[in-house]
Amino acid sequence: QSALTQPASVSGSPGQSITISCTGTSSDVGGYNDVSWYQQHPGKAPKLMIYNVSNRPSGVSNRFSGSKSGNTASLTISGLQAEDEADYYCCSYTSSSTFVFGTGTKVTVL
Amino acid sequence: EAQLVESGGGLVQPGGSLRLSCTASGFTFSSYWMHWVRQAPGKGLVWVSRINSDGSTTSYADSVKDRFTISRDNAKNTLYLQMNSLRAEDTAVYYCLADGLYWGQGTLVTVSS
Repeated sequence: QSALTQPASVSGSPGQSITISCTGTSSDVGGYNDVSWYQQHPGKAPKLMIYNVSNRPSGVSNRFSGSKSGNTASLTISGLQAEDEADYYCCSYTSSSTFVFGTGTKVTVL
Repeated sequence: EAQLVESGGGLVQPGGSLRLSCTASGFTFSSYWMHWVRQAPGKGLVWVSRINSDGSTTSYADSVKDRFTISRDNAKNTLYLQMNSLRAEDTAVYYCLADGLYWGQGTLVTVSS
């Protein structure tokens, strides 16, 4: 199972909105709504930000939103803040009853 | 507060074995599907294995199939990962997680001679 494709890096200024894409196939992202997004700060464990494409766990800011179109899922961060600078990973269930993560995106706040 | 604590990591020679444990507290462990995810130094997250809530269904990444075994003991609120025939490329921090919502702090496994 190949990793889902994410841009290596995305940057934005404070207050701006950025979108991170996550491209897979009809056997993973396109075939299931079990797509999640994780935020990871250096040296820390990942944190769930979005599950089932567009749902936010309790406690996650509503500045984070998720969507999906075809084989591509997206994470949008609105009102970018310095604390949003981190690595972000998407993850999808697959037709093999396994899961696959994305390649990861480093978000930089300028 | 929900907490997951991994243990059992360390240095092992190629071809060796190691068993990781993950002890849960603060939530109903027996209600959650559990996963192991790993991260090689400086690299991205890689899904390793999953087990359903009662332990009857498991799945594995191709890279660890037939070498790793996931299991759980709901009476002890503990998840396990038995790792055999370890290779250098298995070197990573191993995280346990509950349905993606709760994560442990990770335990480092180093495979080297």
